[in-house]
Amino acid sequence: DQQVKQNSPSLSVQEGRISILNCDYTNSMFDYFLWYKKYPAEGPTFLISISSIKDKNEDGRFTVFLNKSAKHLSLHIVPSQPGDSAVYFCAAGGWFLGAQKLVFGQGTRLTINP
Amino acid sequence: DAGVTQSPTHLIKTRGQQVTLRCSPKSGHDTVSWYQQALGQGPQFIFQYYEEEERQRGNFPDRFSGHQYPNYSSELNVNALLLGDSALYLCASSLAGTYNQPQHFGDGTRLSIL
Repeated sequence: DQQVKQNSPSLSVQEGRISILNCDYTNSMFDYFLWYKKYPAEGPTFLISISSIKDKNEDGRFTVFLNKSAKHLSLHIVPSQPGDSAVYFCAAGGWFLGAQKLVFGQGTRLTINP
Repeated sequence: DAGVTQSPTHLIKTRGQQVTLRCSPKSGHDTVSWYQQALGQGPQFIFQYYEEEERQRGNFPDRFSGHQYPNYSSELNVNALLLGDSALYLCASSLAGTYNQPQHFGDGTRLSIL
């Protein structure tokens, strides 16, 4: 039961261009969403989040868009930089049975080409 | 400001053995969640500890158990190890009552079962 899906295992983007990573979810109980970035041999690092009551949140080069009716969110990175090359995980959070729980997608490996 | 620390970094065990992984949460955090990340997959929620009690559990067998100490540090124990338990085990911490705040992850323990 894959409640959070990232359908693109990998994405390659030219440096300076926009990177768009996508994520779909199925459970309407999720009420906040996060993006984490992961380098090899390191744990996931929090990047940006959005509450279900919003449709956009921006932080510097990173913007997350949420379309609740489509149960879809996306992460835009502009301009893309070589240091952005990493695996990106989408996660959905909610309050389930007395605990906050995160459900992760499978990840998208982003490669920024110089 | 100490982040989430996990030990050991790597561990090799054989089938049938038992293992204990350790986690110290980020300073100021009181809630610890454990995740299993198999190769090529996103982290999967194992369970969460708060006030020294297991608050919620993911779809993992009873061979997986945990503990939280009064100083908020936590252990993950896995009994009767199977080859399929080979994975990266991630610990994440958060502060109870701060809903929608991101969980902070450690760098994980890489467990290999021979």
